[in-house]
Amino acid sequence: QVQLQESGPGLVKPSQTLSLTCTVSGGSISSGDYYWSWIRQPPGKGLEWIGYIYYSGSTYYNPSLKSRVTISVDTSKNQFSLKLSSVTAADTAVYYCARESVTIFGVAHIKVYYGMDVWGQGTTVTVSS
Amino acid sequence: QSVLTQPPSVSGAPGQRVTISCTGSSSNIGAGYDVHWYQQLPGTAPKLLIYGNSNRPSGVPDRFSGSKSGTSASLAITGLQAEDEADYYCQSYDSSLRVFGGGTKLTVL
Repeated sequence: QVQLQESGPGLVKPSQTLSLTCTVSGGSISSGDYYWSWIRQPPGKGLEWIGYIYYSGSTYYNPSLKSRVTISVDTSKNQFSLKLSSVTAADTAVYYCARESVTIFGVAHIKVYYGMDVWGQGTTVTVSS
Repeated sequence: QSVLTQPPSVSGAPGQRVTISCTGSSSNIGAGYDVHWYQQLPGTAPKLLIYGNSNRPSGVPDRFSGSKSGTSASLAITGLQAEDEADYYCQSYDSSLRVFGGGTKLTVL
């Protein structure tokens, strides 16, 4: 069964860039049946979707974070990564990577989504000097 | 301020039925996008509970059910059990943007 594992520094200084990697095991990141997302959860708060990447490299970011976010994929390592620049204390959160299942139909590319069915355990990132 | 609105908390006694609402708008749920529900037990990652408005992944008890109408969706839990105490989140789409509700804390009395 597919498993996701986040990795990266647990402490980042203000104004620096947060970098995390999600390693996919038990399945291929190159399948066209999935979007690969990053989601975060500040302490005591709800979930915020950051963005996704498709195996082809196409991305979509939350407009609220778009100017600071880059998500990339390394199919040879079965990994995808998150970079968030110019971090502040407001970026302190548990960061999750997740797989979202999708079926894309026909030339019109009609998409049917099946939810984020596999999640990593999450990694805590604290922004502090 | 979340795009989807959920009640902050609900509660019920063991064996009872509770519902959690998720209210969106014409640009997300009302535009025809599906709603998914997640359960987050304390200290753990969210788990997909309902997908496509009303479908249960394998292994999810049939005590959990979902529905959608207009610009809203609901999660119902029947036969409430102590282990159901958790945070519940709805999620939908606004074009390519994935949007979550603010979450609802379920307390089993």
